[in-house]
Amino acid sequence: SQKIEQNSEALNIQEGKTATLTCNYTNYSPAYLQWYRQDPGRGPVFLLLIRENEKEKRKERLKVTFDTTLKQSLFHITASQPADSATYLCALVRNTGNQFYFGTGTSLTVIP
Amino acid sequence: GAVVSQHPSWVICKSGTSVKIECRSLDFQATTMFWYRQFPKQSLMLMATSNEGSKATYEQGVEKDKFLINHASLTLSTLTVTSAHPEDSSFYICSAQYGFYEQYFGPGTRLTVT
Repeated sequence: SQKIEQNSEALNIQEGKTATLTCNYTNYSPAYLQWYRQDPGRGPVFLLLIRENEKEKRKERLKVTFDTTLKQSLFHITASQPADSATYLCALVRNTGNQFYFGTGTSLTVIP
Repeated sequence: GAVVSQHPSWVICKSGTSVKIECRSLDFQATTMFWYRQFPKQSLMLMATSNEGSKATYEQGVEKDKFLINHASLTLSTLTVTSAHPEDSSFYICSAQYGFYEQYFGPGTRLTVT
């Protein structure tokens, strides 16, 4: 079965720095990969999607890279702010389109 | 656009009773909806895939007789936890498929069984 690991359970960084979160997977390569933000007691909110044939995707202060050789995706938040503090989840989707596998999540805390 | 709601947002019930959770796609039609369960500080675990007009597909280890799913319309799926026990206490989240590759999630329902 697919196994997805996110780099660490918790990450603390100083405001203004770049936060980098890692998502590693085993077995088959996904058709695409998504990143979500989840706040306590809330459902995940979609942030970015990157397809298997894309190397990089950007959206405002967010950047996602996808390396199918390394079986890894990196999620960057530049100029981080305390409001970015949340848990970030990566999710892999197979070609069938409706099989989502979520990582364990990384809790990010941006310290003012 | 692409808003998904859940009701109730939280519920407390006594052991042995049944609880129904509703998931609605408010501004789009969803042929497929998903039900997840999340324990504290853990990731989402897919319980079942709900397809409109057909039986749900349950993940391995999920009791279909305990977690009844009905997807009667393109905008509504329900999850009924039957004969709930304290170990069923959890955060239940639904999502609706939007297009081919996107899912939009509901805000979740906190179930506490006493």
